[in-house]
Amino acid sequence: DAKTTQPPSMDCAEGRAANLPCNHSTISGNEYVYWYRQIHSQGPQYIIHGLKNNETNEMASLIITEDRKSSTLILPHATLRDTAVYYCIVKTGANNLFFGTGTRLTVIP
Amino acid sequence: EPEVTQTPSHQVTQMGQEVILRCVPISNHLYFYWYRQILGQKVEFLVSFYNNEISEKSEIFDDQFSVERPDGSNFTLKIRSTKLEDSAMYFCASSGGRGQTSYEQYFGPGTRLTVT
Repeated sequence: DAKTTQPPSMDCAEGRAANLPCNHSTISGNEYVYWYRQIHSQGPQYIIHGLKNNETNEMASLIITEDRKSSTLILPHATLRDTAVYYCIVKTGANNLFFGTGTRLTVIP
Repeated sequence: EPEVTQTPSHQVTQMGQEVILRCVPISNHLYFYWYRQILGQKVEFLVSFYNNEISEKSEIFDDQFSVERPDGSNFTLKIRSTKLEDSAMYFCASSGGRGQTSYEQYFGPGTRLTVT
């Protein structure tokens, strides 16, 4: 599976949009982009995934560039409960997830 | 909403003892996984399981580890002779229902294993 690069940490004001970037310049044509988060020591939580089109669900939006070399996870109105480590992972099918170090998002009151 | 459950939430054992960690995946899922996270470190893949056999395993998953799906609902991880370095949070995950084409994994809350 291709590797991803994320900033180690970001802050966001409560109520504002949190935009978390991810670079995956070596992504293959059949690899999806997945986003997970881990709040403290809880189990990782699935957020959203996409192949090439932008995606939106009740938790977040995923914007994938046309060349698929990078993506951005958008939390439209961040709350304190969104403070977590966010992981961008690329993979195919039912393969295992490779967790890097992710981005530690801190939502500030 | 269906969820993955794990028992126990915390297990304390002595070095050299066998432990079995239990997971109940989401009922219609076909793919099952174990991951672990040593305190302060990254989440690491251990093993994946599909169609009653291991489909992939990491180098961490050595001969002291085994997995089993003893019935239609449980998925277990056995550590035969625990070592101090096995102390970690162990997460079970499942994905891929019959007829589905997406493979997002859903994780349980984890079992904290402490080896003394």
